[in-house]
Amino acid sequence: GQQVMQIPQYQHVQEGEDFTTYCNSSTTLSNIQWYKQRPGGHPVFLIQLVKSGEVKKQKRLTFQFGEAKKNSSLHITATQTTDVGTYFCAGRGGNKLVFGAGTILRVKS
Amino acid sequence: DGGITQSPKYLFRKEGQNVTLSCEQNLNHDAMYWYRQDPGQGLRLIYYSQIVNDFQKGDIAEGYSVSREKKESFPLTVTSAQKNPTAFYLCASSTTGALNEKLFFGSGTQLSVL
Repeated sequence: GQQVMQIPQYQHVQEGEDFTTYCNSSTTLSNIQWYKQRPGGHPVFLIQLVKSGEVKKQKRLTFQFGEAKKNSSLHITATQTTDVGTYFCAGRGGNKLVFGAGTILRVKS
Repeated sequence: DGGITQSPKYLFRKEGQNVTLSCEQNLNHDAMYWYRQDPGQGLRLIYYSQIVNDFQKGDIAEGYSVSREKKESFPLTVTSAQKNPTAFYLCASSTTGALNEKLFFGSGTQLSVL
């Protein structure tokens, strides 16, 4: 069945450093969504990518969808303490939305 | 204030006991979902419903049951057949269940076994 692998599982960065998490799907995706879950909280939708090679930005966050629509990345420039949490990708293939395991981001101030 | 309300926040289950987790939404969404979250794993779909009085099994439906008698409500029962119920349970909704819709999540219920 469809699988979505997400790496790294965990990253601890110094405030001001950049951060990137990657998702790879075993099958071609129709779209990919990204969610953020703060510690003790629930996932909150960040963005959806649909087109091959699409790049979207939200302030310091840059989201990319691969040309083959099988991989995606989230890059945070100059992390802040407010960025802490778990970032999940969720890939849609067929009628299923499959979540990656998430990347836990910790930021040292 | 529109949103999804899950209750209780924490729940404890005794051996052989069925427990029911509540999920209510006032977003007027047709589609509702139940996910299970375990440490180090992605969210896994238990059940979903796109219309009142209809629901479908997700990837890990064994040991769980649901009902959708009202548009606003989608309770999940964790039965005694679920041998490893300890997890964080998240209810979600979307407008119609179409493939390009984002999910809105409730604040979750942490279920633990006594």
